[in-house]
Amino acid sequence: DIQMTQSPSSLSASVGDRVTITCRASQSISTFLNWYQQKPGSAPKLLIYVASTLQSGVPSRFSGSGSGTDFTLTISSLQPEDFATYYCQQTYSAPPYTFGQGTKLEIK
Amino acid sequence: EVQLVESGGGLVQPGGSLRLSCAASGFTFSSYDMHWVRQATGKGLEWVSAIGTAGDTYYPGSVKGRFTISRENAKNSLYLQMNSLRAGDTAVYYCARGLQGPFYYGSGQTRYGLDVWGQGTTVTVSS
Repeated sequence: DIQMTQSPSSLSASVGDRVTITCRASQSISTFLNWYQQKPGSAPKLLIYVASTLQSGVPSRFSGSGSGTDFTLTISSLQPEDFATYYCQQTYSAPPYTFGQGTKLEIK
Repeated sequence: EVQLVESGGGLVQPGGSLRLSCAASGFTFSSYDMHWVRQATGKGLEWVSAIGTAGDTYYPGSVKGRFTISRENAKNSLYLQMNSLRAGDTAVYYCARGLQGPFYYGSGQTRYGLDVWGQGTTVTVSS
């Protein structure tokens, strides 16, 4: 199975900061990498799919990049509502569609 | 409104069984791959199973042989039959829809992520 590793596991930042979260796959997954945001007590929300395509309704301050094994999620200017946990997920080839362990973004 | 609503969670003893349901509305259920994802308290997301539009099914090793995913398109419903439950299966279980994108890779081949999620149902395995 493909393993997904996110870094960092947690991150403290301030409103207005630019933040980058990294996700690494144990083998090449082309661009079949998705990013989710989850707030406490709520279901995950799809932000970005196939590495860089913004899901409908997601603010443009979110962006994704990468291919092969290395991917990044960038938030250009943090807003108060962005403090949450972020997960990557690979959907390359057949299942299992594994998730990264998550990155908790906290207010500094 | 596109919506997924899970039900069927509860407390079950180790070794017991439970059947989760997910009611879909607001979209053509039969046209979408569907998934179950779980999350233990304070932990990350774990993909549990998927079923394609053609009824093909997929599982990770951790639940294969114990869990069975199924769908009933006439009732717009997704199910997860869970047998031989263990303490490690304790989690919130979400059903989710596979996003359809510009290219079709085949039944069960969800490439574009999971775009609609239910609110989750809690399963607790404990004596």
